[in-house]
Formats: sequence, C-alpha cells, structure tokens
Amino acid sequence: KQEVTQIPAALSVPEGENLVLNCSFTDSAIYNLQWFRQDPGKGLTSLLLIQSSQREQTSGRLNASLDKSSGRSTLYIAASQPGDSATYLCAVGSNDYKLSFGAGTTVTVRA
Amino acid sequence: DAMVIQNPRYQVTQFGKPVTLSCSQTLNHNVMYWYQQKSSQAPKLLFHYYDKDFNNEADTPDNFQSRRPNTSFCFLDIRSPGLGDAAMYLCATSRDPGVREKLFFGSGTQLSVL
Repeated sequence: KQEVTQIPAALSVPEGENLVLNCSFTDSAIYNLQWFRQDPGKGLTSLLLIQSSQREQTSGRLNASLDKSSGRSTLYIAASQPGDSATYLCAVGSNDYKLSFGAGTTVTVRA
Repeated sequence: DAMVIQNPRYQVTQFGKPVTLSCSQTLNHNVMYWYQQKSSQAPKLLFHYYDKDFNNEADTPDNFQSRRPNTSFCFLDIRSPGLGDAAMYLCATSRDPGVREKLFFGSGTQLSVL
C-alpha cells in the first residue's frame, strides 16, 4: 500500500522567501504525482502534475521535481507572497484510479 | 465559473439523522468521486462512479451510500451519521478513470454532527 508523507506539517516564512515543500512516498512504481493547493474550508485545486517519466514541471513561480528512485518530490515556490498561504497536498497515482494523498503542509507567509 | 458544485457548503445534522450531500458538474466527465477529509488529514476516497458503475472502497462503512441519477449529479447519503462522520466531504470529477487524468474538485461540504 502506498504511503505518502509530508513533513513538516506546518511552515511559516516571511514574505519574499522561497518555499520548499517536501513529499515522500514508499512505492516508487508510480504513474504520476500531483501537487494540490487547499485554502481553509475549501476544495483542492490542482497546481502541477508530473508524469513518472518527467523530472520536473514548472508553472509561473511554482516548480515541482520528482525523484522516483528515492521516493521524493519537492515543490518550490519562488518569492513567496501572503496569497500563497494555504495547505499544499501531494498525491501519488499508483493504481488505476486512486490517488494516495499526503496530509499536507500548511504554509503561512507573513507580510 | 464553478465546474464542480457542492451543496450545501455547510451542513449540520443530528446524531443518527440521515443526511444527503449533493454534487453537480458541468464538465460532462465520466467519473465522479467522493472523498472524506478530516481536520489536518489526507482526503480518503469513499467511492466513485465510472458512468453508472459504482465502485466502493473496501473500507468504506455501509453507513455511506451514493447515487448517480445522471451524468451531472451525484449524491452522498449518510444513513445514520455518528460523531465520527463529522468532516469535510469533497466531490471530484475526472474525464476518465485512471490516475493519468486530472481531478477537478468542488469546494466541499463541511458536515457537523450534533
């Protein structure tokens, strides 16, 4: 069974600092990995999807890397802003239809 | 424009009183999912529909049921809510099954059980 871990559970940084969020998974036989953003009391918004054959994906200030062999993915957010405050979840696609989610890292960007 | 719509945003029910949560989508996607998310935890898949085919997760309690009367709508029925069922319930859709497809989530329904 795929286990997905995100450490730390919470992170607080001053505005302008680069954010580094970590995701680790136990089974390297994955199809893809997604990063989601969740605002308080809201649903999830997909940020980036990395296929298993890819090493990274970029969208604006966001960059996600994937190292299947070590079971790790990292989400980088450059020049953080208060509007980046949210919970970020990673989800690993291992089976035909199910994603295994991590519990998320809650980020606070201080103005 | 909201593509996956969940109603209501907040639902309060009494212990043991049946409750129904609804989800609608304008994406014409074939697959609709229901997830349960408790505070500071990962979303947990309860079940999903691929068209009219219902797929229940092995550890989903019998207390949870679902209906999909047409492509656009899907309902989550909790027959006898317990205090442990208080959670955020998330509906999601994808064009086809399989983890290669991007998921689109609704804003969720926060369920409280008194």
